[in-house]
Amino acid sequence: EIVLTQSPGTLSLSPGESGTLSCRASQSVSGSRLAWYQQKPGQLPRLLIFDSSDRAPGIPDRFSGNGAGTDFTLTISRLEPEDSAVYFCQYYGGSPSLIFGGGTKVDIK
Amino acid sequence: VQLVQSGAEVKKPGSSVKVSCKDPGGIHGSYGISWVRQAPGQGLEWMGGKVPVPGTAIYSEKFQGRLTLTADASSNTLYMELRGLTSEDTAIYYCARDCGKWERPHHYAFYYMDVWGAGTTVIVSS
Repeated sequence: EIVLTQSPGTLSLSPGESGTLSCRASQSVSGSRLAWYQQKPGQLPRLLIFDSSDRAPGIPDRFSGNGAGTDFTLTISRLEPEDSAVYFCQYYGGSPSLIFGGGTKVDIK
Repeated sequence: VQLVQSGAEVKKPGSSVKVSCKDPGGIHGSYGISWVRQAPGQGLEWMGGKVPVPGTAIYSEKFQGRLTLTADASSNTLYMELRGLTSEDTAIYYCARDCGKWERPHHYAFYYMDVWGAGTTVIVSS
C-alpha cells in the first residue's frame, strides 16, 4: 500500500511570504490522483485541490498544487494569518482505499 | 448541500457505536459517501464508503469485519456501525460526500471529498 509522507512537520512563516508543502508517495501514484485539504483548529477538513492541481470551487488562486509520480507540492502564496492550519494530502488511485498523509502544520505569525 | 450527523457518544470498551448521517438533499443518489475518522490530535483515516445508489459498501482493509455501512433510502440517512470498540477508536467520525466515479460497470472508485458532515465525537472509556 502506498504511504504518503508530508514535510515539513511544521512550517512557520510571516504574512505575505510564500510557503511550499511537500507530499511524497512511497511509490509512483496513478495519474494525478492527489488532493489537498486544509483543516483549521476545531473545524472540518476543507477541500483545496484535487487532481493534483485543480482548485476546488471558491478556493483563492493563492493556493496552487503541482506534481506527478511520487512528488507533489502545495504552494500558498501571499500568506495570510487565516492560512494557519494543518494541511493534508490524500491519494485516491489505490482503489478501494483512500490514503492520507500525516499533515503539515502551517503557522503564520 | 449538507450532511447532518448524530450527536456525541460515550461507549464502553467492547461495545458498538452507530453513527447516523442524514442526507436531506439526497446526494447519495448520485454521489458516494465516505466515512473518515480523526483521533485526537491525529490525522485523517478513511474507513470506507457507500457507493451511489444502489449503495454497495466498500471497506478499508483495516476495518473489515468490524465496520458496517448501511443506508435507509426512505429517510435519506446513512449509518456507520463500528463494533468491538477500544480506546483507540476514540475519535471524531465524519461522513463526507465523495466525488468519485464509475470507472467501469459495477466498479465505483472513491476519489476526494468536498462536503463534510460536522463530525460525531465518539469516546471509548471504561
